[in-house]
Amino acid sequence: ETGVTQTPRHLVMGMTNKKSLKCEQHLGHNAMYWYKQSAKKPLELMFVYNFKEQTENNSVPSRFSPECPNSSHLFLHLHTLQPEDSALYLCASSQDRGGAESSDTQYFGPGTRLTVL
Amino acid sequence: AQKITQTQPGMFVQEKEAVTLDCTYDTSDPSYGLFWYKQPSSGEMIFLIYQGSYDQQNATEGRYSLNFQKARKSANLVISASQLGDSAMYFCAMRGTTNTGANSKLTFGKGITLSVRP
Repeated sequence: ETGVTQTPRHLVMGMTNKKSLKCEQHLGHNAMYWYKQSAKKPLELMFVYNFKEQTENNSVPSRFSPECPNSSHLFLHLHTLQPEDSALYLCASSQDRGGAESSDTQYFGPGTRLTVL
Repeated sequence: AQKITQTQPGMFVQEKEAVTLDCTYDTSDPSYGLFWYKQPSSGEMIFLIYQGSYDQQNATEGRYSLNFQKARKSANLVISASQLGDSAMYFCAMRGTTNTGANSKLTFGKGITLSVRP
């Protein structure tokens, strides 16, 4: 496997279900990200992890719970979601050098298309 | 705060012709980076090209080039010799740098749909 992988690719769940999205990066990067892409909206950053530590939570509702056990894996645990949470969830990774350099490119996975009934 | 503006409606281009996709930005950061991504219908965001705010020359990557006009705060993507596989959504994005270092956050525009006609 190369690049950034995400599973599952498609997920349909009811509002009372609990499910998890998985992301794995094979690029040796130290930062990982969750984004939400809704129809006709710009990508919204949800969470950022650097060296397994969460460095940004972009006012995301608590029904979304991220987990980063190591620099290669990132999960998004979902519970009691709402229909408006239906979207494409994209994971990305980058080598964040943390200095005054903004060229660190984020590489994205194929996304999980989530439908909440 | 950073802002990316992509206002073009759906764009159409004939195969083998060149096309320019517009992007304007606004930021108060002392330095920043500009990125273009392509998103086919499959959903994956594919990195195309990067331009740093202090780069003297416009970035080029194969058929992609970035027309960077700092004073106008524009970073337009030029695709030369369009191919049918170029049909996709194209997103412009920015990453800023504060006095203490680079932000992790990429700010994206709303995207532009490009359709290549045979």
